[in-house]
Amino acid sequence: DSGVTQTPKHLITATGQRVTLRCSPRSGDLSVYWYQQSLDQGLQFLIQYYNGEERAKGNILERFSAQQFPDLHSELNLSSLELGDSALYFCASSVGTGTEAFFGQGTRLTVV
Amino acid sequence: AQSVSQHNHHVILSEAASLELGCNYSYGGTVNLFWYVQYPGQHLQLLLKYFSGDPLVKGIKGFEAEFIKSKFSFNLRKPSVQWSDTAEYFCAARTGNQFYFGTGTSLTVIP
Repeated sequence: DSGVTQTPKHLITATGQRVTLRCSPRSGDLSVYWYQQSLDQGLQFLIQYYNGEERAKGNILERFSAQQFPDLHSELNLSSLELGDSALYFCASSVGTGTEAFFGQGTRLTVV
Repeated sequence: AQSVSQHNHHVILSEAASLELGCNYSYGGTVNLFWYVQYPGQHLQLLLKYFSGDPLVKGIKGFEAEFIKSKFSFNLRKPSVQWSDTAEYFCAARTGNQFYFGTGTSLTVIP
């Protein structure tokens, strides 16, 4: 158990819908990262937050947004979902900017 | 932009064979390097990391990696693989705020 908790574990939704994925980082970790893992794209970095502020942005679509709350948990919002958004979404956390990241179990999103 | 390349996409080995997975990164400045493993149906777990010091890094489960700065490489090795090592292996580099992951190498170990 990495200490990073993601909910839900599985999510099935229809095209055009909006979903929210939640991540609770390890206790004491200030940084949260979101990744998308699909068979054809591999592991893609989406976005990073540090202590509530956005720190880095990767290949995140405009339909996607994220935030980190004062209690340090983070949410990834995916809207106007398309079939191609079906993937495993991982959250990772780290203490700061110079340490390794610990990954959660992921949320498997299926868009039908 | 920083990038990480893993040369082998799929590797199939028999038990007790030696393993070496290649990883190259593109950044010329200070970089932290990692190898993660993802067992089937599970999340990524840290195998080992290199920040500084001895370029030969030992990790969990008998894995090790060697950082060769002149070659921008951080190859993963294990002298004798087991069936339980069947997994996806990801090399990652960290510069500043971002982690950059390779596309992964799928390892299948045949009993």
